[in-house]
Amino acid sequence: DIQMTQSPSSLSASVGDRVTITCRANQYISNYLNWYQQKAGKAPKLLIYSVSSLRSGVPSRFSGSGSGTDFTLTISSLQPEDFATYYCQQSYSTPGFGQGTRLEIK
Amino acid sequence: QVLLIQSGAEVKKPGASVKVSCKASGYTFTDYYIYWVRQAPGHGLEWMGWINPQDGGIKYAQNFRGRVTMTRDTSLSTAYMELSGLRSDDTALYFCVRYGDYFSFDVWGPGTVITVSS
Repeated sequence: DIQMTQSPSSLSASVGDRVTITCRANQYISNYLNWYQQKAGKAPKLLIYSVSSLRSGVPSRFSGSGSGTDFTLTISSLQPEDFATYYCQQSYSTPGFGQGTRLEIK
Repeated sequence: QVLLIQSGAEVKKPGASVKVSCKASGYTFTDYYIYWVRQAPGHGLEWMGWINPQDGGIKYAQNFRGRVTMTRDTSLSTAYMELSGLRSDDTALYFCVRYGDYFSFDVWGPGTVITVSS
């Protein structure tokens, strides 16, 4: 199975900050990389698919980039509603998730 | 509106079985695979398996083979996940998820809490 590793595991930031979360696959996954946001006790929500395509309705402060094995999720200016846990997920083979990055208020 | 509606929370004793339902609405049920994903308290997302509602084809994750059974009823647009031999570490939130366009999990059910306790 393909292993997905996110860094950092947790992150403290302030409203207005620019934040970047990294996701690395242990083998090539082309552009089959998605990002999700999950708030406590709720189901995850799809933010970005195919590395960099923003899902309809997702604010433009979210962006994704990368290729092959290394990918990033960037939030350009944190808003209060963005404090949550973020997961990357590959669909190149049997779908698998990263371990998550918890984004907390500083 | 595309929705997945899951059955309610359950409390089970160790060794018992549980069956969770997931009813799809707002789209053609047989057009998309349904996955089951679970999340133990304080942990990440773990894929359990999938079912193809069109033909009933299934694939289970290695960790759950022998204990999980996924089925569907196309007349009810409903998928089911049954987990047997429950243990305390099966206590978790169980999601059904649509594997949608662009190879992503685009629609999630609200989750069903399964608590395993003696």
